[in-house]
Amino acid sequence: AQTVTQSQPEMSVQEAETVTLSCTYDTSESDYYLFWYKQPPSRQMILVIRQEAYKQQNATENRFSVNFQKAAKSFSLKISDSQLGDAAMYFCAYRYQGGSEKLVFGKGTKLTVNP
Amino acid sequence: DADVTQTPRNRITKTGKRIMLECSQTKGHDRMYWYRQDPGLGLRLIYYSFDVKDINKGEISDGYSVSRQAQAKFSLSLESAIPNQTALYFCATSDWRDSFNEQFFGPGTRLTVL
Repeated sequence: AQTVTQSQPEMSVQEAETVTLSCTYDTSESDYYLFWYKQPPSRQMILVIRQEAYKQQNATENRFSVNFQKAAKSFSLKISDSQLGDAAMYFCAYRYQGGSEKLVFGKGTKLTVNP
Repeated sequence: DADVTQTPRNRITKTGKRIMLECSQTKGHDRMYWYRQDPGLGLRLIYYSFDVKDINKGEISDGYSVSRQAQAKFSLSLESAIPNQTALYFCATSDWRDSFNEQFFGPGTRLTVL
């Protein structure tokens, strides 16, 4: 079964600094997708960034980028120029092609941004 | 208006009561999902539906049932609620034409079973 591990229950960063959130996953599939979701206190799940496993190029979305290492099964999220509004729970998620197409989530990392 | 809506947003009920959580979407998506989130855990899949006539169990379906009344509506029922079903429940939708199958989430329903 596929599993997603986020080894950092909590992280903190100073405003305007850079922080990296870790995520590793376990799968025997070769074709899959990876996601980072943000959950602010409003509890809404918001997609931050996504990556296809067959693409070697790391995805970027403005201040958010990923470091995707397929062989190592690692998918870390880098947030540059952190802002107070980035404070939230961040969930890494995996989906393989086929079946239920369900998302398998990690347990999350709580990010605090200090002014 | 939000594309994916859930009602109620918050609900407190008692053990043994039947309760229904409703999800509606205006995105025109065919696929709909129900997830459950517990403190310190990520989201886990309860049920999913790829169209009105297709309903499937997820990893934690025991104690739950669903109904896909229309393409836009997907309801989750707890036939006899128990305290360990206290959780945050999310509905999500996706479009089969999207290779990413990006899932769009509703605002969640916080359910407390006393």
